Amino acid sequence: AQSVTQPDIHITVSEGASLELRCNYSYGATPYLFWYVQSPGQGLQLLLKYFSGDTLVQGIKGFEAEFKRSQSSFNLRKPSVHWSDAAEYFCAVGIGSTLGRLYFGRGTQLTVWP
Amino acid sequence: EAGVAQSPRYKIIEKRQSVAFWCNPISGHATLYWYQQILGQGPKLLIQFQNNGVVDDSQLPKDRFSAERLKGVDSTLKIQPAKLEDSAVYLCASSLDLAGTAGGYTFGSGTRLTVV
Repeated sequence: AQSVTQPDIHITVSEGASLELRCNYSYGATPYLFWYVQSPGQGLQLLLKYFSGDTLVQGIKGFEAEFKRSQSSFNLRKPSVHWSDAAEYFCAVGIGSTLGRLYFGRGTQLTVWP
Repeated sequence: EAGVAQSPRYKIIEKRQSVAFWCNPISGHATLYWYQQILGQGPKLLIQFQNNGVVDDSQLPKDRFSAERLKGVDSTLKIQPAKLEDSAVYLCASSLDLAGTAGGYTFGSGTRLTVV
């Protein structure tokens, strides 16, 4: 069965520090990969997505993610975190055999200290 | 462009009551999804429509949940009767194409359901 693992439930960083959120998936072929952010009381906002091509993907708000096929990973990074980045981050995977369905990780809650 | 609209934002009901949620997707988006997000978990797909046809409802508890998308635009998700474990945020999303490759998926703000 397909699964998406976000091993860190909660991460705390200081403002201005770098950030890396981890995501691993289990699926044989290369899936579609997404990162979403969710602020309290809000829906999910798409940060970036990977379908094919360059494995380093740039997104909104200064985020980037790198697809590593050998590690089945799609980690999200930001070089300098802002207090407004505090939110919950979800990694999601879509696969060709179940067009449209996204499998989500359980999320990583990010706290930013001033 | 207008986003995905959902209503109501919040709903509190007693167990065994019924409830309905409404979703209006982005204009022109053929694919519509309903996801259930239980506290502390990632969203889980309940049902997916392509225009007004069901593509995937394998995770929908059909003994109590139903959904329709009349005329391929708005959609309604209903729960009857509700159970305590149905307490969750119900998210509606839409995309241009089936796999979301054209622009990803756009989510609404969700309906937070509390069953007491």
